[in-house]
Amino acid sequence: EAGVAQSPRYKIIEKRQSVAFWCNPISGHATLYWYQQILGQGPKLLIQFQNNGVVDDSQLPKDRFSAERLKGVDSTLKIQPAKLEDSAVYLCASSVPGLAGETQYFGPGTRLLVL
Amino acid sequence: RKEVEQDPGPFNVPEGATVAFNCTYSNSASQSFFWYRQDCRKEPKLLMSVYSSGNEDGRFTAQLNRASQYISLLIRDSKLSDSATYLCVVNRGNKLVFGAGTILRVKS
Repeated sequence: EAGVAQSPRYKIIEKRQSVAFWCNPISGHATLYWYQQILGQGPKLLIQFQNNGVVDDSQLPKDRFSAERLKGVDSTLKIQPAKLEDSAVYLCASSVPGLAGETQYFGPGTRLLVL
Repeated sequence: RKEVEQDPGPFNVPEGATVAFNCTYSNSASQSFFWYRQDCRKEPKLLMSVYSSGNEDGRFTAQLNRASQYISLLIRDSKLSDSATYLCVVNRGNKLVFGAGTILRVKS
């Protein structure tokens, strides 16, 4: 079974520039998540989709971050304009219900460096 | 105070050692609990779920104490390949909250 796909794997931009990340979840997984992982910290949820609807975006900095999942499959996360503190790994995950709640499967992440 | 707290380590242990990690969580509404493993520059992967009765998977044993809001992971007979960051995770209303992770380094 193919895993969660993400692109690009690496991105270097200057502050105030824009950047977009793409994610394709595991086939059949209705729930999709975007996380931000800053070096030395655990992943922090930015936004959660159920099919093409937003379930939770309470920690998404909406003045600069946006995300969409128009057809309920793949998703894009955009940052505009980027700040130095946005340097992090952006992880996409998708999930399937399990015995102890949703089991999430992560993609390889996009490593963003903002200069 | 962070919702999920872990000792960051690093824990440096020899091969064959037994090592234990602890984790505390602050939200009593947390419903389910997990340990994830994250290798250097890789994505997190589910290691095991944690049940109230405790559970074991080979060399790994996880325990949950709901009254104390405390989770533990025990690794027996450590292998070099166990070197990684171990993330304590709680599920609160289908939202996963991650600890910052505990670094384990197993040395020969």
